[in-house]
Amino acid sequence: QVQLVQSGAEVKKPGASVKVSCKASGYSFTSYGISWVRQAPGQGLEWMGWISAYKGNTNYAQKLQGRVTMITDTSTSTAYMELRSLRSDDTAVYYCARVLDTFDIWGQGTMVTVSS
Amino acid sequence: QTVVTQEPSFSVSPGGTVTLTCGWSSGSVSTSHYPSWYQQTPGQAPRTLIYSTNTRSSGVPDRFTGSILGNKAALTITGAQADDESDYYCVLYMGSAIWVFGGGTKLTVL
Repeated sequence: QVQLVQSGAEVKKPGASVKVSCKASGYSFTSYGISWVRQAPGQGLEWMGWISAYKGNTNYAQKLQGRVTMITDTSTSTAYMELRSLRSDDTAVYYCARVLDTFDIWGQGTMVTVSS
Repeated sequence: QTVVTQEPSFSVSPGGTVTLTCGWSSGSVSTSHYPSWYQQTPGQAPRTLIYSTNTRSSGVPDRFTGSILGNKAALTITGAQADDESDYYCVLYMGSAIWVFGGGTKLTVL
């Protein structure tokens, strides 16, 4: 079946980087984009950015420009999101989602905790 | 800065009908924003309900209907059930591969 499976929970110190993976299966990976969405504890959903799995072009939310990088590996149908210079307010569940004209399939989420 | 607005909370009686809305700080929401709606319960990933204004995702009951009402996108739930008690989020496409989520509506069924 169509699914996105994300990597496991991470605990990082302030200033460090984190890289979350999202492995797709059950569909043609390069026919869709991938967006990353995060949700801080008790808060709403925040769109972080998008990558075309076909061409690799990206667009990032303005507030994360310069700290986030999204890439895909078409050989393994995996998308990656790296967030650098982590702060405590980056503590959140990070989701990947398949995108065509909507976010239709979601990964299970990856908890990233930033704490000294 | 683009802001997408939703009611923070709403309450509906079992069997009742409720309409949640999704507005845009810069003007009217249209079908060109491809409004989508998601349901989320605590600890779970969002579930896609409606996309492209009014298309139900696979397996979503027809109690859920999407539309444009006035200058906002709307999600109407008819015959509300106890397990509809969730958080509901809309998202609007702003063009150039940019999306913005609303702040979410916490729906209580009682």
